[in-house]
Amino acid sequence: DIQMTQSPPSLSASVGDRVTITCQASQVISNYLNWYQQKPGKAPKLLIYDASNLETGVQSRFSGSGSGTDFTFTISSLQPEDIAIYYCQQYKALPVTFGGGTKVEIK
Amino acid sequence: QLQLQESGSRLVKPSQTLSLTCAVSAGSMSGPLYSWVWIRQPPGKGLEWIGYIYESGATFYNPSLKSRVTISLDGSNNRFSLNLNSVTAADTAVYYCARGNTRGRFDPWGQGALVTVSS
Repeated sequence: DIQMTQSPPSLSASVGDRVTITCQASQVISNYLNWYQQKPGKAPKLLIYDASNLETGVQSRFSGSGSGTDFTFTISSLQPEDIAIYYCQQYKALPVTFGGGTKVEIK
Repeated sequence: QLQLQESGSRLVKPSQTLSLTCAVSAGSMSGPLYSWVWIRQPPGKGLEWIGYIYESGATFYNPSLKSRVTISLDGSNNRFSLNLNSVTAADTAVYYCARGNTRGRFDPWGQGALVTVSS
């Protein structure tokens, strides 16, 4: 299985801050990576697909980059409604696997 | 906009079979490029892909669960189902259904169903 390692596991930032989450794959996955946002008590929501493409309707303050084994997810200006857990997911090979998640809180 | 809704038993006894159905509405399940997916999340933990099924009936399962899982599809009634047998407390989780595409995107998702395994 391809292991996805996210860091940090949690972070606390102020409204307006730039937030960065990293995701590292245990082997090369090209750009076969998606990012999801999960708010408390809700199902995950797709934000970024193919590592860097913004899903339709998603706010432009969210972005993704990377290829190969190292990926980054960024919130350019943190908003109160961005409080959530963020997950990366690879689909280069079965089984599909997710990162452990990064919990984002407001300082 | 496509909507998915999970239903089924929320309390299952150890060693028995967990059964859930996902009803798909406001859209069709037709299309060879879509997969119909089950994912679970134990309380307070991360996401685990269970498997998916295509319209053709082809199924792909997580090897960690493969011996116990069956996913089936009823296209004429716009639904698909999950059966997980020989459950233990470790199978307690919120179970989500979702639509997948060929690029591994899971969207949209159902709201999730908490299934507890307990005697």
